[in-house]
Amino acid sequence: QKEVEQDPGPLSVPEGAIVSLNCTYSNSAFQYFMWYRQYSRKGPELLMYTYSSGNKEDGRFTAQVDKSSKYISLFIRDSQPSDSATYLCAIYNAGNMLTFGGGTRLMVKP
Amino acid sequence: SQTIHQWPATLVQPVGSPLSLECTVEGTSNPNLYWYRQAAGRGLQLLFYSIGIGQISSEVPQNLSASRPQDRQFILSSKKLLLSDSGFYLCAWSMDSGANVLTFGAGSRLTVL
Repeated sequence: QKEVEQDPGPLSVPEGAIVSLNCTYSNSAFQYFMWYRQYSRKGPELLMYTYSSGNKEDGRFTAQVDKSSKYISLFIRDSQPSDSATYLCAIYNAGNMLTFGGGTRLMVKP
Repeated sequence: SQTIHQWPATLVQPVGSPLSLECTVEGTSNPNLYWYRQAAGRGLQLLFYSIGIGQISSEVPQNLSASRPQDRQFILSSKKLLLSDSGFYLCAWSMDSGANVLTFGAGSRLTVL
Protein backbone atom coordinates (compact mmCIF):
# COMPACT_ATOMS: atom_id res chain seq x y z
CA GLN A 1 0.00 0.00 0.00
CA LYS A 2 1.32 3.42 -0.94
CA GLU A 3 1.74 5.89 1.90
CA VAL A 4 -0.41 8.46 0.11
CA GLU A 5 -3.13 7.50 -2.36
CA GLN A 6 -4.79 9.85 -4.80
CA ASP A 7 -7.19 9.16 -7.65
CA PRO A 8 -5.37 10.14 -10.87
CA GLY A 9 -8.54 11.25 -12.67
CA PRO A 10 -8.99 12.96 -15.00
CA LEU A 11 -11.86 14.78 -13.33
CA SER A 12 -13.90 16.84 -15.77
CA VAL A 13 -16.39 19.41 -14.47
CA PRO A 14 -18.31 22.35 -15.97
CA GLU A 15 -17.32 25.90 -15.09
CA GLY A 16 -18.85 27.02 -11.82
CA ALA A 17 -19.03 23.54 -10.29
CA ILE A 18 -17.76 22.65 -6.84
CA VAL A 19 -14.76 20.36 -7.10
CA SER A 20 -13.70 17.85 -4.48
CA LEU A 21 -10.21 16.39 -4.61
CA ASN A 22 -9.15 13.77 -2.10
CA CYS A 23 -6.21 11.84 -0.69
CA THR A 24 -5.91 9.05 1.83
CA TYR A 25 -2.80 8.24 3.79
CA SER A 26 -1.64 5.33 5.87
CA ASN A 27 0.78 6.77 8.45
CA SER A 28 -1.00 8.27 11.43
CA ALA A 29 2.21 10.11 12.38
CA PHE A 30 1.82 12.52 9.48
CA GLN A 31 1.43 16.02 10.83
CA TYR A 32 1.44 18.57 8.01
CA PHE A 33 -0.82 18.51 4.99
CA MET A 34 -0.36 20.43 1.77
CA TRP A 35 -1.92 20.83 -1.63
CA TYR A 36 0.13 21.76 -4.67
CA ARG A 37 -1.19 22.83 -8.06
CA GLN A 38 0.79 21.96 -11.16
CA TYR A 39 0.02 23.40 -14.56
CA SER A 40 1.08 21.44 -17.61
CA ARG A 41 4.87 21.53 -18.14
CA LYS A 42 5.41 23.65 -15.02
CA GLY A 43 6.68 23.03 -11.51
CA PRO A 44 4.16 22.51 -8.68
CA GLU A 45 3.19 25.55 -6.62
CA LEU A 46 1.92 25.49 -3.06
CA LEU A 47 -1.81 26.18 -2.75
CA MET A 48 -2.72 25.32 0.81
CA TYR A 49 -0.92 24.17 3.93
CA THR A 50 -2.51 23.02 7.17
CA TYR A 51 -1.40 21.37 10.35
CA SER A 52 -4.48 20.36 12.25
CA SER A 53 -7.73 18.57 11.62
CA GLY A 54 -10.59 20.71 10.39
CA ASN A 55 -11.02 23.21 7.60
CA LYS A 56 -8.83 25.99 6.28
CA GLU A 57 -10.22 28.41 3.74
CA ASP A 58 -8.41 30.66 1.25
CA GLY A 59 -10.65 32.38 -1.25
CA ARG A 60 -12.36 29.74 -3.38
CA PHE A 61 -10.22 26.96 -1.91
CA THR A 62 -10.91 24.99 1.27
CA ALA A 63 -8.57 22.33 2.64
CA GLN A 64 -10.08 19.77 4.98
CA VAL A 65 -8.19 17.29 7.14
CA ASP A 66 -9.71 14.35 9.00
CA LYS A 67 -6.88 12.74 10.95
CA SER A 68 -9.13 10.09 12.47
CA SER A 69 -9.96 8.79 8.99
CA LYS A 70 -6.56 9.66 7.49
CA TYR A 71 -8.33 11.57 4.76
CA ILE A 72 -7.67 15.00 3.30
CA SER A 73 -9.68 16.99 0.79
CA LEU A 74 -9.39 20.11 -1.30
CA PHE A 75 -12.61 21.85 -2.32
CA ILE A 76 -12.74 24.41 -5.10
CA ARG A 77 -15.85 26.60 -5.28
CA ASP A 78 -17.02 28.30 -8.46
CA SER A 79 -14.41 26.44 -10.48
CA GLN A 80 -12.85 28.27 -13.42
CA PRO A 81 -11.13 27.03 -16.58
CA SER A 82 -7.93 28.49 -15.11
CA ASP A 83 -8.22 25.90 -12.31
CA SER A 84 -7.50 23.16 -14.86
CA ALA A 85 -4.30 21.57 -13.62
CA THR A 86 -2.98 18.58 -11.72
CA TYR A 87 -3.45 18.78 -7.96
CA LEU A 88 -0.97 16.99 -5.73
CA CYS A 89 -1.48 16.33 -2.07
CA ALA A 90 1.65 16.21 0.06
CA ILE A 91 2.02 15.04 3.61
CA TYR A 92 4.89 15.51 6.00
CA ASN A 93 6.06 13.97 9.23
CA ALA A 94 8.66 15.90 11.22
CA GLY A 95 12.14 14.60 10.53
CA ASN A 96 11.18 12.89 7.30
CA MET A 97 10.69 13.81 3.67
CA LEU A 98 7.55 15.18 2.13
CA THR A 99 5.43 12.34 0.67
CA PHE A 100 3.42 13.17 -2.44
CA GLY A 101 0.30 11.62 -3.86
CA GLY A 102 0.31 10.80 -7.56
CA GLY A 103 -1.84 13.80 -8.44
CA THR A 104 -5.36 14.28 -9.77
CA ARG A 105 -5.79 15.91 -13.14
CA LEU A 106 -8.68 18.40 -13.16
CA MET A 107 -10.31 19.83 -16.27
CA VAL A 108 -12.82 22.66 -15.92
CA LYS A 109 -14.77 23.16 -19.12
CA PRO A 110 -16.22 26.57 -20.05
CA SER B 1 12.04 37.47 -1.98
CA GLN B 2 13.36 34.03 -2.83
CA THR B 3 13.52 32.71 -6.37
CA ILE B 4 14.62 29.43 -7.84
CA HIS B 5 16.07 29.03 -11.30
CA GLN B 6 16.43 25.78 -13.18
CA TRP B 7 17.93 25.16 -16.59
CA PRO B 8 17.83 24.04 -19.29
CA ALA B 9 14.06 23.92 -19.62
CA THR B 10 14.10 21.29 -22.34
CA LEU B 11 16.73 19.00 -23.76
CA VAL B 12 16.95 16.01 -26.03
CA GLN B 13 19.96 13.78 -25.56
CA PRO B 14 21.14 10.52 -27.17
CA VAL B 15 21.56 7.38 -25.10
CA GLY B 16 25.03 7.22 -23.60
CA SER B 17 25.58 10.99 -23.55
CA PRO B 18 26.29 12.96 -20.35
CA LEU B 19 23.80 15.16 -18.53
CA SER B 20 24.04 18.27 -16.42
CA LEU B 21 21.01 20.08 -15.01
CA GLU B 22 21.56 23.15 -12.88
CA CYS B 23 19.52 24.79 -10.16
CA THR B 24 20.20 27.96 -8.20
CA VAL B 25 18.28 29.65 -5.42
CA GLU B 26 18.39 33.38 -4.71
CA GLY B 27 17.34 35.38 -1.68
CA THR B 28 18.07 32.85 1.06
CA SER B 29 20.97 31.15 2.78
CA ASN B 30 21.65 27.50 3.59
CA PRO B 31 18.49 26.13 2.01
CA ASN B 32 17.68 22.44 1.81
CA LEU B 33 17.83 21.48 -1.87
CA TYR B 34 16.10 18.64 -3.68
CA TRP B 35 15.97 16.91 -7.05
CA TYR B 36 12.74 15.15 -8.01
CA ARG B 37 11.76 13.24 -11.13
CA GLN B 38 8.20 13.10 -12.40
CA ALA B 39 7.34 10.45 -14.96
CA ALA B 40 4.40 11.12 -17.26
CA GLY B 41 1.11 10.92 -15.33
CA ARG B 42 2.85 9.91 -12.14
CA GLY B 43 3.81 11.47 -8.85
CA LEU B 44 7.06 12.95 -7.71
CA GLN B 45 10.01 10.68 -6.98
CA LEU B 46 12.69 12.14 -4.71
CA LEU B 47 16.13 11.51 -6.19
CA PHE B 48 18.55 13.53 -4.04
CA TYR B 49 18.47 16.05 -1.26
CA SER B 50 21.10 18.21 0.35
CA ILE B 51 21.23 20.02 3.68
CA GLY B 52 24.53 21.78 2.99
CA ILE B 53 27.51 22.21 0.70
CA GLY B 54 28.94 18.84 -0.25
CA GLN B 55 26.24 16.96 1.69
CA ILE B 56 24.17 14.82 -0.63
CA SER B 57 21.73 12.06 0.24
CA SER B 58 20.50 9.68 -2.41
CA GLU B 59 17.02 8.26 -2.13
CA VAL B 60 17.03 6.01 -5.17
CA PRO B 61 20.15 4.21 -6.49
CA GLN B 62 20.40 4.82 -10.22
CA ASN B 63 22.32 6.25 -13.09
CA LEU B 64 22.31 9.80 -11.73
CA SER B 65 24.39 11.79 -9.27
CA ALA B 66 24.06 15.17 -7.60
CA SER B 67 26.50 17.76 -6.35
CA ARG B 68 26.27 20.97 -4.35
CA PRO B 69 29.41 22.99 -5.07
CA GLN B 70 28.01 26.19 -3.56
CA ASP B 71 25.43 27.00 -0.90
CA ARG B 72 22.67 27.83 -3.36
CA GLN B 73 23.64 25.68 -6.33
CA PHE B 74 22.52 22.12 -6.95
CA ILE B 75 23.53 20.08 -9.98
CA LEU B 76 22.11 16.83 -11.31
CA SER B 77 24.44 14.80 -13.52
CA SER B 78 24.85 11.60 -15.40
CA LYS B 79 27.89 10.20 -17.18
CA LYS B 80 25.87 8.04 -19.56
CA LEU B 81 22.15 8.53 -20.05
CA LEU B 82 19.72 5.64 -20.37
CA LEU B 83 16.35 5.66 -22.11
CA SER B 84 14.73 5.25 -18.70
CA ASP B 85 16.23 8.57 -17.57
CA SER B 86 13.66 10.44 -19.67
CA GLY B 87 11.28 12.51 -17.57
CA PHE B 88 10.52 15.85 -16.00
CA TYR B 89 13.14 16.87 -13.46
CA LEU B 90 12.27 19.33 -10.73
CA CYS B 91 14.56 21.18 -8.38
CA ALA B 92 13.11 22.44 -5.11
CA TRP B 93 14.23 24.21 -1.96
CA SER B 94 12.98 24.52 1.61
CA MET B 95 14.10 26.11 4.83
CA ASP B 96 15.62 23.90 7.50
CA SER B 97 12.75 24.34 9.91
CA GLY B 98 9.04 23.91 10.22
CA ALA B 99 6.93 21.81 7.91
CA ASN B 100 9.38 21.39 5.06
CA VAL B 101 7.29 23.38 2.58
CA LEU B 102 8.93 22.99 -0.80
CA THR B 103 9.21 25.65 -3.49
CA PHE B 104 9.79 24.18 -6.93
CA GLY B 105 11.58 25.40 -10.01
CA ALA B 106 9.93 25.40 -13.43
CA GLY B 107 11.35 21.98 -14.32
CA SER B 108 13.59 20.49 -17.00
CA ARG B 109 12.08 18.10 -19.52
CA LEU B 110 14.62 15.48 -20.61
CA THR B 111 14.05 13.18 -23.55
CA VAL B 112 16.62 10.46 -24.13
CA LEU B 113 16.54 8.94 -27.62
